[in-house]
Amino acid sequence: AQRVTQPEKLLSVFKGAPVELKCNYSYSGSPELFWYVQYSRQRLQLLLRHISRESIKGFTADLNKGETSFHLKKPFAQEEDSAMYYCALTSGGYQKVTFGTGTKLQVIP
Amino acid sequence: DTAVSQTPKYLVTQMGNDKSIKCEQNLGHDTMYWYKQDSKKFLKIMFSYNNKELIINETVPNRFSPKSPDKAHLNLHINSLELGDSAVYFCASSQALGQGANEQFFGPGTRLTVL
Repeated sequence: AQRVTQPEKLLSVFKGAPVELKCNYSYSGSPELFWYVQYSRQRLQLLLRHISRESIKGFTADLNKGETSFHLKKPFAQEEDSAMYYCALTSGGYQKVTFGTGTKLQVIP
Repeated sequence: DTAVSQTPKYLVTQMGNDKSIKCEQNLGHDTMYWYKQDSKKFLKIMFSYNNKELIINETVPNRFSPKSPDKAHLNLHINSLELGDSAVYFCASSQALGQGANEQFFGPGTRLTVL
């Protein structure tokens, strides 16, 4: 069975401080990992995926297969980063998707 | 030009009623999903359809019945609504294959309140 764990329900940081949102997964095969973001009263949207190895809005995430982690990082938090962040894992031909429980990021001005 | 749309946006109803939520995507995707987001913001997949066929059914009470008349539509019908059904329901779609596959495109959500 596949599982995604986000240990922090709430993460509060000051503006300008570094941010790290943790995500660990368990899956026996080769997963695809994603970070989705949900701003207040908006729909979920893709932030980034591990395949792309890109930086979006200053966020990066590296897949660490040894630690089965896909932590989301940003060196300097901004107020507009305040949102719910979900880590997600997709596997298999039928794209079974498992979301973590989400972490609410609160950036304090 | 909305990619994934849902109606209604808000739904307030009494316990025991039957209601439907509609979802449409104009992205040409093959796969559509229904998710439930509860008051604690937990997001859980309910169903997945690929080309109108049910692929994933995640231990959802059989009061919930998805229907896919074509691959652009996935509707959710709920019978005998219960208080615990109150949540935000999100529809999503994704490509089956190719570049960009597996990225989920979400609808705006339907906030269901059962009184």
